[in-house]
Amino acid sequence: DTGVSQDPRHKITKRGQNVTFRCDPISEHNRLYWYRQTLGQGPEFLTYFQNEAQLEKSRLLSDRFSAERPKGSFSTLEIQHTEQGDSAMYLCASSFGLADYEQYFGPGTRLTVT
Amino acid sequence: AQKITQTQPGMFVQEKEAVTLDCTYDTSDPSYGLFWYKQPSSGEMIFLIYQGSYDQQNATEGRYSLNFQKARKSANLVISASQLGDSAMYFCAMRVYQAGTALIFGKGTTLSVSS
Repeated sequence: DTGVSQDPRHKITKRGQNVTFRCDPISEHNRLYWYRQTLGQGPEFLTYFQNEAQLEKSRLLSDRFSAERPKGSFSTLEIQHTEQGDSAMYLCASSFGLADYEQYFGPGTRLTVT
Repeated sequence: AQKITQTQPGMFVQEKEAVTLDCTYDTSDPSYGLFWYKQPSSGEMIFLIYQGSYDQQNATEGRYSLNFQKARKSANLVISASQLGDSAMYFCAMRVYQAGTALIFGKGTTLSVSS
């Protein structure tokens, strides 16, 4: 069991550019979550997948954000036309079945938009 | 509205002492779960302990215990025998089961353990 992994760990981009982050959940975890954490705050929920289906989206997920989970394995989070306000840590978590109260988090991708 | 409040921005404790981190929550739904996570400087969120709203007994996991007072809507984390490695940010979170799967987090408390 290798845990949740995220790539890249750090990303610096210029305003207006597109970025894509990847999350690999714990194998056999059918549920995957994306959160965003800004400095001095707790994580805020963005979206949730059960297998390949995106079942929940937060109002925080503007039209510039899109998430996918093809084949119910890894997931990608893309931000188009990045803005300085998008600078944050993007956390991915996964869980499985009836014990899904325990969400396992990855190390996060820290995005800096200049 | 569903909300988690952590009123202690920072706490300081000496090694081997116990410390209580405060958390209050707000929900009108009877079915919910309460969680504590630890976030070291490396950034990864580490699950510590869980308490369900219908659980009769307070949850315990090793040196961690959750002091669940339902009538007061509080879910304080107690860390016994603090260690230097406990220095981190601690987040209280809630999941309201009728509302979906999202965890709602508080703003966190920074715990500093000194020798």
